[in-house]
Amino acid sequence: DAGVIQSPRHEVTEMGQEVTLRCKPISGHDYLFWYRQTMMRGLELLIYFNNNVPIDDSGMPEDRFSAKMPNASFSTLKIQPSEPRDSAVYFCASSLIGYSREDTQYFGPGTRLTVL
Amino acid sequence: GQSLEQPSEVTAVEGAIVQINCTYQTSGFYGLSWYQQHDGGAPTFLSYNGLDGLEETGRFSSFLSRSDSYGYLLLQELQMKDSASYFCAVRDDSNYQLIWGAGTKLIIKP
Repeated sequence: DAGVIQSPRHEVTEMGQEVTLRCKPISGHDYLFWYRQTMMRGLELLIYFNNNVPIDDSGMPEDRFSAKMPNASFSTLKIQPSEPRDSAVYFCASSLIGYSREDTQYFGPGTRLTVL
Repeated sequence: GQSLEQPSEVTAVEGAIVQINCTYQTSGFYGLSWYQQHDGGAPTFLSYNGLDGLEETGRFSSFLSRSDSYGYLLLQELQMKDSASYFCAVRDDSNYQLIWGAGTKLIIKP
């Protein structure tokens, strides 16, 4: 399996622009997670899906952030409009069974976002 | 609240043994996991402890004491490639998602 795939790997944009991050989870995994990582705040869970349905989006910082999962093999995280404080590495992760005690999350390589 | 505490940085010498501690305070507990992250890379799963005791995987071992809300990751025969950040994580019993520690940066000197 190719693992979790994310694109783009790097994104540089200007404040106010729309940014769309993409993720393809591991085939057969039921859960998909979007994380953000910064030096100041560490690893933060933004939102997660179970079988394409958003379950908990309490980590989404504000209305400028939105996420969708139109099918089992694709998800997007959109920021509109983007701001410099959104600069971070955004990870997508998937897991086979979210409620398993021994469940493991598999992370994609991340998208490094820089908002100027 | 729910929180995990681990040292921000640990320094060790190549070939030595190092222990990274993690204490947690959570409303529920479904096991302690450890992830490794190299600079510029993604977190990758290392080990899991659901019950008290020691789990060994090659040079890495992980320990859990549920009564003490405490666990540690033990790395033996340190190699330069072990230089990375190590995260402990506990599953939240309310929504079964992982609660992450802030990570411990392991610096290995020759």
